[in-house]
Amino acid sequence: GIQVEQSPPDLILQEGANSTLRCNFSDSVNNLQWFHQNPWGQLINLFYIPSGTKQNGRLSATTVATERYSLLYISSSQTTDSGVYFCAVERRGFNKFYFGSGTKLNVKP
Amino acid sequence: GAGVSQSPRYKVAKRGQDVALRCDPISGHVSLFWYQQALGQGPEFLTYFQNEAQLDKSGLPSDRFFAERPEGSVSTLKIQRTQQEDSAVYLCASSFDRNTEAFFGQGTRLTVV
Repeated sequence: GIQVEQSPPDLILQEGANSTLRCNFSDSVNNLQWFHQNPWGQLINLFYIPSGTKQNGRLSATTVATERYSLLYISSSQTTDSGVYFCAVERRGFNKFYFGSGTKLNVKP
Repeated sequence: GAGVSQSPRYKVAKRGQDVALRCDPISGHVSLFWYQQALGQGPEFLTYFQNEAQLDKSGLPSDRFFAERPEGSVSTLKIQRTQQEDSAVYLCASSFDRNTEAFFGQGTRLTVV
C-alpha cells in the first residue's frame, strides 16, 4: 500500500492564528482528499484535490503530485476548527483510500 | 438521499453476539466502501463494492466479517461472534464512480462488552 504521513501530529493554536498542515505520500496517486473529523466523529469533506490549488473561505489546499505532498492552510483559525484533520489518498485502480494518522488541532479562545 | 446515512449510530454487543450495520449511500453512487476506525487512528479500509459486486474485501480482518450490497444500493456489514477487538467506529463512504470524491456517513460506534 501507500504510506501517508501527516505532520504535525498535534497542534495548539490561539484563535486568529494561521497554520499549515502537511501530508506526504509514498507513491503516485490520482485522488487526494482532506477531511475534518468533528468531535462527533463525522468526516467532513474539505477538499478533493488530486493536484493544484483550491480555496474555500478561510481554508485552502495545494497538492504537488509530482513531489508527493499536499498542504492544508487554515487562516484566522476559530474554535470550531478544532478536531482531527485527515489526508486520504487513492491510487488508480486500487479503489481504496489510505489515510494518514491525522493532525489533531486544538484552537483556544 | 442528501448524504450517506448509517444505522445504528451506536451499538453495544455482548461478546459472541452477531451484529449488522447498515449503510444507505448517496442515491446514484456506484462505489461503496466500508472502513474501520480504532480510537486515535485513521480509518482503515475493509471492503469495496461497485454496484452489487464486491470487488475488494482484502481489508476484512477475519471470516467473521461479511459485507453485502445485493441490489447495488444499501449495504450491510455483518460481524459474527463479536470479540472485544472488534470495538471501533465503522464508517461507510460512497462515491459517484471509481476514483472520484468520496463522502462519508456519521459512522456506527460498536462497543463489544
